[in-house]
Amino acid sequence: EVQLIQSGAEVKKPGESLKISCQVSGSTFSNYWIGWVRQMPGKGLEWMGIVYPATSTTRYSPSFLGQVTISADTSVNTAYLQWSSLKASDTAMYYCARHGLHTEHTWFDPWGQGTLVTVSS
Amino acid sequence: EIVLTQSPDTLSLSPGERATLSCRASESVSRSFLAWYQQKPDQPPKVLIFGTSSRATGVPDRFSGSGSGTDFTLTISRLEAEDFAVYYCQQYGYSPFSFGQGTKLEI
Repeated sequence: EVQLIQSGAEVKKPGESLKISCQVSGSTFSNYWIGWVRQMPGKGLEWMGIVYPATSTTRYSPSFLGQVTISADTSVNTAYLQWSSLKASDTAMYYCARHGLHTEHTWFDPWGQGTLVTVSS
Repeated sequence: EIVLTQSPDTLSLSPGERATLSCRASESVSRSFLAWYQQKPDQPPKVLIFGTSSRATGVPDRFSGSGSGTDFTLTISRLEAEDFAVYYCQQYGYSPFSFGQGTKLEI
């Protein structure tokens, strides 16, 4: 069974940096696009971007380009989402999810359990 | 960027009734690359339908998807208590792979 295991909840201050992770088990890692989705409190899903671990190719939503960095490390089967300087408006649940083999043109399945990021002074 | 608009925002129905949820795209969705997800409180979303009309593994046949081009529909034929949740559509034809804003299905 494929599982995406995300790192634990984080509480940070504005201006701090953060890197959260998504480890894939039960499947090969390199040849599946992995994506990140934001869900602000009480709101809907927002597609942030994706990474193809085999080549480190990334695609970003214009809304998130320059605001976050998505990456992957094939040696530990893990994708990452990072911020260099957090804002209070980054407070949200962040989900990772996997596309199909070799292509990003498939639905997200499965999903990680989510990582809650709280940014507050 | 393709914008997906779901309607209604909230749908109030009773168990046993039929639910019809709509998802309209600002431009044609490539090759019917449209999925529907169900999200319950404090859970990640779960895929129900992909490729406009194909049910994901384990999804009951009371869920069905249809549509093409810019207009898509998720239908739940006979609502059960476990179906009351929030539903999202997503297009995965053109990056960014946008989501609709969601429809809350409430009792």
